[in-house]
Amino acid sequence: AQTVTQSQPEMSVQEAETVTLSCTYDTSENNYYLFWYKQPPSRQMILVIRQEAYKQQNATENRFSVNFQKAAKSFSLKISDSQLGDTAMYFCAFMTVPGSSNTGKLIFGQGTTLQVKP
Amino acid sequence: DGGITQSPKYLFRKEGQNVTLSCEQNLNHDAMYWYRQDPGQGLRLIYYSQIVNDFQKGDIAEGYSVSREKKESFPLTVTSAQKNPTAFYLCATAGVQAFFGQGTRLTVV
Repeated sequence: AQTVTQSQPEMSVQEAETVTLSCTYDTSENNYYLFWYKQPPSRQMILVIRQEAYKQQNATENRFSVNFQKAAKSFSLKISDSQLGDTAMYFCAFMTVPGSSNTGKLIFGQGTTLQVKP
Repeated sequence: DGGITQSPKYLFRKEGQNVTLSCEQNLNHDAMYWYRQDPGQGLRLIYYSQIVNDFQKGDIAEGYSVSREKKESFPLTVTSAQKNPTAFYLCATAGVQAFFGQGTRLTVV
């Protein structure tokens, strides 16, 4: 069974600094997707970044980048130049791809609450 | 406008009552999911469906039921067997990424 683990329940960072959120996962699949989602107090789930397992290059979206280590099953999120609006709960998620033995199951970690301090 | 519509936004349930949460999508996605979120906690998978007329239990299916009669719709019923239903419920669909509805906050009164 697939699992996703976020070992940091809470983190804080000063505005304009860099912070890294950790995520590890467990799967026997070779092809899958990994995501980071942001959930602000409004509770709307917002996609931050997406990584396809077959791609070796780490995904980047503006101030957000990932360090994807497939062999280690690690998928950390780095937020550069942190802004007050980055304050939110962040979820790491795993999804198998169509055609796999466990098609399309979407699993989330427990979440990391990030507070950006002025 | 493409997306996922969850309704109602707020729902109140009396003891012993069944209630149904609606989730409709026009993204043409095969996969749909229901999650429960308790305050300050993560998302726990209740049920998911990969195709019409088929669905699988997630990690916390007891006390819940679903149907998938149409591709666009995946309603969740919270039955009286669910003893602690007060929570925030999120519906999602997935193609190459997941899209979420706005959520339904269910409260027992």
